[in-house]
Amino acid sequence: GAVVSQHPSWVICKSGTSVKIECRSLDFQATTMFWYRQFPKQSLMLMATSNEGSKATYEQGVEKDKFLINHASLTLSTLTVTSAHPEDSSFYICSAPTFSMNTEAFFGQGTRLTVV
Amino acid sequence: GESVGLHLPTLSVQEGDNSIINCAYSNSASDYFIWYKQESGKGPQFIIDIRSNMDKRQGQRVTVLLNKTVKHLSLQIAATQPGDSAVYFCAERGTGGFKTIFGAGTRLFVKA
Repeated sequence: GAVVSQHPSWVICKSGTSVKIECRSLDFQATTMFWYRQFPKQSLMLMATSNEGSKATYEQGVEKDKFLINHASLTLSTLTVTSAHPEDSSFYICSAPTFSMNTEAFFGQGTRLTVV
Repeated sequence: GESVGLHLPTLSVQEGDNSIINCAYSNSASDYFIWYKQESGKGPQFIIDIRSNMDKRQGQRVTVLLNKTVKHLSLQIAATQPGDSAVYFCAERGTGGFKTIFGAGTRLFVKA
């Protein structure tokens, strides 16, 4: 079946630095990908919609200048957390829908970001 | 705004019993619903889905029921096993889009 892969699985960075997370669709093309953030014991909160070849669409309250999204190819979307702070520590998950609007999306394994 | 919520945050069942996880949604325009299972430190895993023109769908050991009248969704797991222990999320998608909104989640504990 369709597979979505994220890299890295976990990362620790110093406060003030930037971190890039990659999301790849391994056996299908994804013109749209989604980025979620999940804090401990909470649900997944949609951050933004990544659109291949165009600007990402951000959800209300998500800073587009802080969470940079690039979707330069049909199989890769990247999320860069700029000037990271401890409150950005979270579990970041990407997903890519397949086939049609009425089929499930496949999720990456997630990236645990810890900012120290 | 759109919201998908759950009645119970945790559920503890005995191994071999059936589990029922409930979900209420508020967006009557949603036309596609999905249940996901998430184990600790991992991404969500698809379990089963249902479209709004159906009221029941069965998979292997799982059944999803949709009641559009009261905007209620449930996941039934038959003969619950220790490997079923995880957090379960219902999610919904509106008409004409891929954007998936998640509910609050229910943690299922299976006692051996």
